[in-house]
Amino acid sequence: GAGVSQSPSNKVTEKGKDVELRCDPISGHTALYWYRQRLGQGLEFLIYFQGNSAPDKSGLPSDRFSAERTGESVSTLTIQRTQQEDSAVYLCASSPRGAETQYFGPGTRLLVL
Amino acid sequence: GDSVTQMEGPVTLSEEAFLTINCTYTATGYPSLFWYVQYPGEGLQLLLKATKADDKGSNKGFEATYRKETTSFHLEKGSVQVSDSAVYFCALKYGGSNYKLTFGKGTLLTVNP
Repeated sequence: GAGVSQSPSNKVTEKGKDVELRCDPISGHTALYWYRQRLGQGLEFLIYFQGNSAPDKSGLPSDRFSAERTGESVSTLTIQRTQQEDSAVYLCASSPRGAETQYFGPGTRLLVL
Repeated sequence: GDSVTQMEGPVTLSEEAFLTINCTYTATGYPSLFWYVQYPGEGLQLLLKATKADDKGSNKGFEATYRKETTSFHLEKGSVQVSDSAVYFCALKYGGSNYKLTFGKGTLLTVNP
């Protein structure tokens, strides 16, 4: 079946612009996660959704970052007024309720000039 | 806080060589431990996992044993292949409501023919 998909695969933007990153989880997966990987760093947890609610937003680095999920499906991560330090690969993962294994998408590579 | 430390890369081996990638963790409880792999151009995939002390996870010829006494989860393979070239990530996760993965920085493995 289809895996987790993310779009766009690459995004180049200018400092100060807003960007939206999209994640389509595996159908039926109630849990959805966003992670960020900056160059030379491990993956950092950003936010977790169970259904459409986000019980843990603790990893969002600033109030410029927000995310939403609708219909227990698609999620959008929005970065407002992008900064150069936002340049990273943004990864989305999903899992069935109660499952340990997370299934990752290919990521969106964001470059802020 | 919880953290994962894995050996710095890159690691370059010849085909059929023995592989060890070290991983140690710091955690307040008893997490599950994972190795994820990212092949070129693909998303992260679960390679193997272990959920309690002395468990051995294995898959595709790779093995790792959960060692509570040394807080380690080293990845090993007896004979690597060119197709094993990838980035390997060690990670930990608690069960229950604590669902997020905490990752190491990743180790790039290149296997030459």
